[in-house]
Amino acid sequence: DAGVIQSPRHEVTEMGQEVTLRCKPISGHDYLFWYRQTMMRGLELLIYFNNNVPIDDSGMPEDRFSAKMPNASFSTLKIQPSEPRDSAVYFCASSPNPTNEKLFFGSGTQLSVL
Amino acid sequence: GQSLEQPSEVTAVEGAIVQINCTYQTSGFYGLSWYQQHDGGAPTFLSYNALDGLEETGRFSSFLSRSDSYGYLLLQELQMKDSASYFCAVRPITGGGNKLTFGTGTQLKVEL
Repeated sequence: DAGVIQSPRHEVTEMGQEVTLRCKPISGHDYLFWYRQTMMRGLELLIYFNNNVPIDDSGMPEDRFSAKMPNASFSTLKIQPSEPRDSAVYFCASSPNPTNEKLFFGSGTQLSVL
Repeated sequence: GQSLEQPSEVTAVEGAIVQINCTYQTSGFYGLSWYQQHDGGAPTFLSYNALDGLEETGRFSSFLSRSDSYGYLLLQELQMKDSASYFCAVRPITGGGNKLTFGTGTQLKVEL
């Protein structure tokens, strides 16, 4: 299995632009998580899906952030409009079931908003 | 809520043993996990303690004491490649049982 695949690996954009991050979970994993990592705040859970349905989006910073999972093999995290404080590494992770403590993380997207 | 505290940095020499502590304040959780993250890399799962006691996986061991609100990761026979950040994490029972919450992270530096 190729693991969790994220794209792009790096994204540099200007403030005000729309940013879309993409994730393909491991086949057969019912849970998908979006995390954000910064030096100041560490690893923060933004939102997670179960069987393509958003279950908890309480970690989404504000309305500028949105996430979708149109099918079992694809999810997007969108920031519109982007701001410099959104600069971070965004990780997608998947898990086969809720009792499995083992999350499989993608390589992350390093986002820089200028 | 959940709060997991770890030392920010630990330094040790190659071949030594190092313990990375995790103290937590949480209303209840299913178990304590540990993840490793190399610079520029993704977090990868190391171990999980559902019950109190010691779990051993090769050179790495993890310990949990719920009564003491404390856990640790023990790394033996340190190698240079063990230089990385290590995170403890819990999945709280309330507020969303599927949400894995991570600690502040400990950067381990292994020196010659």
